[in-house]
Formats: sequence, C-alpha cells, structure tokens
Amino acid sequence: AQKVTQTQTSISVVEKTTVTMDCVYETRDSSYFLFWYKQTASGEIVFLIRQDSYKKENATVGHYSLNFQKPKSSIGLIITATQIEDSAVYFCAMREVGGSALGRLHFGAGTQLIVIP
Amino acid sequence: EAAVTQSPRNKVAVTGGKVTLSCNQTNNHNNMYWYRQDTGHGLRLIHYSYGAGSTEKGDIPDGYKASRPSQENFSLILELATPSQTSVYFCASGAPGLGGFQNTLYFGAGTRLSVL
Repeated sequence: AQKVTQTQTSISVVEKTTVTMDCVYETRDSSYFLFWYKQTASGEIVFLIRQDSYKKENATVGHYSLNFQKPKSSIGLIITATQIEDSAVYFCAMREVGGSALGRLHFGAGTQLIVIP
Repeated sequence: EAAVTQSPRNKVAVTGGKVTLSCNQTNNHNNMYWYRQDTGHGLRLIHYSYGAGSTEKGDIPDGYKASRPSQENFSLILELATPSQTSVYFCASGAPGLGGFQNTLYFGAGTRLSVL
C-alpha cells in the first residue's frame, strides 16, 4: 500500500504568488517524521523542510512553511512569494519511528511546480 | 558541505550485461541508500546499508545486488541488466538515529541508465 500520496502532478503559478502542494500519508505509528525535498531541473535533490509529528507548530524555513493536519494525515507545503527558481519537482516523504532506525524514507510521486513570470 | 558522488553519470548497457553503479560519500554517514526514480513513482528504495559490510533489501530489490566495502563506498550491481531497469538511480547518505534532523538525506547527482 502506498504510504505517501501526492495527487497534484503539476501546478503552474504566477511569480510572487503563494502556492500550496498537497501530500497525504498513511502510518500506524504515533510518532513519525515528514519531509519535503526539492528536485531541480538539473536533477539535484535537496532537503527543504521537516515536520516532527509530535510538534503542533507548523515548521517554517525561509519562504517555505508546512500545513500539518495530523487528524487528516496531511502535510502541505506552502511557498510564499514564489520565484522563478522555485520551479522544480517537490517530493513529500515520511519516516516512521516504529520501523527500522535507518532513516528509511517513503516518497510520494512528486509534484512539478512551474512558476510563470 | 555534505558530498555524495555517483559514477558514472550516464550509462548505456546491453540486455544481459553486468552494470555496476558506484557511490562515494565524504559525510562519514553510516547509512547509505540506493533509489530509482521513474515517472509516476517518485523515488523507490532498492537497497540500503547501515555500515561497512552490511546491505539490506529495500522495497524493490529484485534484479539488484548491493555492496558496501567501506564506510565511504556503496555500489549497486545489476548482474543481468534488463530494459525494465532503465531508470535514473540516486544514491544517498544519512546519519543514523531517531532524531528528525538526523534523517535528512544527502543525495548524489544521479546516474541515468539505459538498458538496450
């Protein structure tokens, strides 16, 4: 069963606006970690932001923030004041604490963001 | 700066041939991973390792072997390559532990493999 689902295949937004990318996950663990990674056009994959399930506050890093809705098993990525260089594929990922302690992540299929000038 | 280097960056192989993808990390991370990326599937885990001499099967290990001869190096081996293994392969390293930040993965630039 797929553990992490990103239903939005592609999103286009106008530069300087705000965009939200959706992600839902499945887990039986009471404690887990959620991540967003960005893959640029060159193929480089970099870590963006993390949410710990036991924290009620939504994580924020620069112009990235998360909308964590634990009862809905949802972790949305919000990018404010989008820039052209935000154009990329964004992956949601989850790690369950109850499983192997090897940092094994389950990834979603990704959402392509296109920022239009 | 964490560094994960993959080689080769591009590879064309023939069906039935042996392919070895190499990965080197200078992060001194215990954990290393091999993922493949295909359209519509995101990143899927093939094999992983928690230290020199260890390898574990991931979610899609069939047709692949892995080797971890040292802390720094982790190889993915396709003994008998098939066209279905045409994909982009990513190596990653990460620190062990249960803390959230320790689970951040550092990815290599990827290897594009075409099996004809």
